[in-house]
This record gives sequence, structure tokens and C-alpha cells, in this order.
Amino acid sequence: KNEVEQSPQNLTAQEGEFITINCSYSVGISALHWLQQHPGGGIVSLFMLSSGKKKHGRLIATINIQEKHSSLHITASHPRDSAVYICAVKVGGAQKLVFGQGTRLTINP
Amino acid sequence: DGGITQSPKYLFRKEGQNVTLSCEQNLNHDAMYWYRQDPGQGLRLIYYSQIVNDFQKGDIAEGYSVSREKKESFPLTVTSAQKNPTAFYLCASSLDHRAGYGYTFGSGTRLTVV
Repeated sequence: KNEVEQSPQNLTAQEGEFITINCSYSVGISALHWLQQHPGGGIVSLFMLSSGKKKHGRLIATINIQEKHSSLHITASHPRDSAVYICAVKVGGAQKLVFGQGTRLTINP
Repeated sequence: DGGITQSPKYLFRKEGQNVTLSCEQNLNHDAMYWYRQDPGQGLRLIYYSQIVNDFQKGDIAEGYSVSREKKESFPLTVTSAQKNPTAFYLCASSLDHRAGYGYTFGSGTRLTVV
């Protein structure tokens, strides 16, 4: 079983819908990252969380440390939000990030 | 603007040839990383470097080599010993590898071995 699991693996929705992507992890972490990967391959860091909730524009990220779970929400989704969203965790004092397999989001006009 | 530059974006090589992927950053970050991405899988760590002239193996280092002679540069060589080198390679950097923040990623190099 992977240390970081994302669901769903693929998500297709209509423009304007509220989107939720989930991330569960099985290890102790010091931080959790949400990343966005566009078709060209480059990755952009959206959020880094260690507790609570963060908001940036139409994006909201939450984390529940006790339940080892994080969610990424997109309000009023738009076709330009179509991308792969990746959850990654920094395990305790380890040197590396452990990545989920990604969620491919497609927003249709 | 500060960032990470990976070059080239696409690379084709014949089987058995070594190839070097470039990664340069002007963010003054101490730590740099190389990840490999295969379809349907999460990114996996190949090598990382915390400071100049130091680097450590990641989870899938076999068949790869790196150097860190300058703070700004962390090139990755894919050797002929790498059994399945065709993949998407991403370079990243962070201000402090211990703190878990400040990760910046490059735009990636897609390597195809024919």
C-alpha cells in the first residue's frame, strides 16, 4: 500500500462545479503539499500545510492531522483548472517528499 | 525572476548512450532534487543534494549519477546501466531540506530512449 493515496484518480466535471480531491497518508508528517501539474509537465506548488486550512483565490486546502487526511477544494471550477493535482508529504525529519499518484481533473465548458 | 531551468524539454537518445540533463536554479536554494515520473505513478526520488559537493541517493538511484560542483547547478546523468530510462524527469529545489517548505519545481525533461 502506498504511503500517500489520492482519490479519485480521475475526475471530470462541468464548469462551475465545486471540486474536491482527497489525500490520505499513513505516516507521520511534518508538512503536506498540494501541487498542480499542467499538460506540459511543469509543476507549480499550490499550498503547503501543517495544520488547519489555507485559501488562495478559488482554491482551498484543509488538513486533519489526527485523521491523516487532506482535501483540496476548487470553487466555481473553470476549464483552465484542468490539470493533474498531486499531494505530497514530508515525512518527519526525512530528506524527501513522498508523492501521491495524482488526480487528473478535467473541467468541461 | 527566480526559478529553475531544465533543459532540454525533450531529449532523444539511442540505447546504450549516456545522457546528461541540466538543472539550474537562481533562487539561492541549498537543497536540490531529481525526481522521475512514470505514467500512473507518483514522482520518485533519484538523488538529492543538501549542499555543494554533497549528494545522497534516493529511492531509485541505480543507473544514475549526479554532481553538485556549484550551488546553482545539479546535473543528472542517465547512464547506460539504467534499464528503463524513458521517463519524465523533474528537478526541484528548496531553501532548507529540513523545514519542508519552499519547494520550486522545474518544467521537466522528457527523455525517450530508442
